[in-house]
Amino acid sequence: GAVVSQHPSRVICKSGTSVKIECRSLDFQATTMFWYRQFPKKSLMLMATSNEGSKATYEQGVEKDKFLINHASLTLSTLTVTSAHPEDSSFYICSAPDGGGYGYTFGSGTRLTVV
Amino acid sequence: DAKTTQPPSMDCAEGRAANLPCNHSTISGNEYVYWYRQIHSQGPQYIIHGLKNNETNEMASLIITEDRKSSTLILPHATLRDTAVYYCIVRVAGNTGGFKTIFGAGTRLFVKA
Repeated sequence: GAVVSQHPSRVICKSGTSVKIECRSLDFQATTMFWYRQFPKKSLMLMATSNEGSKATYEQGVEKDKFLINHASLTLSTLTVTSAHPEDSSFYICSAPDGGGYGYTFGSGTRLTVV
Repeated sequence: DAKTTQPPSMDCAEGRAANLPCNHSTISGNEYVYWYRQIHSQGPQYIIHGLKNNETNEMASLIITEDRKSSTLILPHATLRDTAVYYCIVRVAGNTGGFKTIFGAGTRLFVKA
């Protein structure tokens, strides 16, 4: 089946630095990818929709300048958490519609810890 | 907003069937019911989906009521590895890049030995 590769799986960074998370669709093209954030014991919260060749669409309340999204190609989307703060610590997950009837394929997630 | 409601948690004995209900009373005619599960600290995993007929695959069975306002995911012989959060989602099927998937709270299933 379709696979979405997400990395890094874990990252620890210092406050004030930026962190980039990558999601790649393997063996299929993804003109759209979705980025989610998840707090402990909570459900996934949609942050933004990444569109290849155009600007990302952000959900209400999500800061565009804080969470920079780039969809550079049909197989790669990146989320950059800029000027990270401890409250940005969370589990970030990407997904892409795989067109194979399974709906969406999800990455394995990135656990970000800002110290 | 999520268009589904699920019980927050359920217990199931190992080896027994786990029946997870989901209400989706506002489902549209072209929306499918999808089930995913999430094991701790991993991305969600696809389980099964259906439109109006009951479906079965190697992982589970999906029973959809005739009026399509609710469904039940059945894990026929639950194992300890099935302990996870199960999400029921309704959305249009296919490579619907323009359609967002909104997650509800899900059901936390505990399979006990």
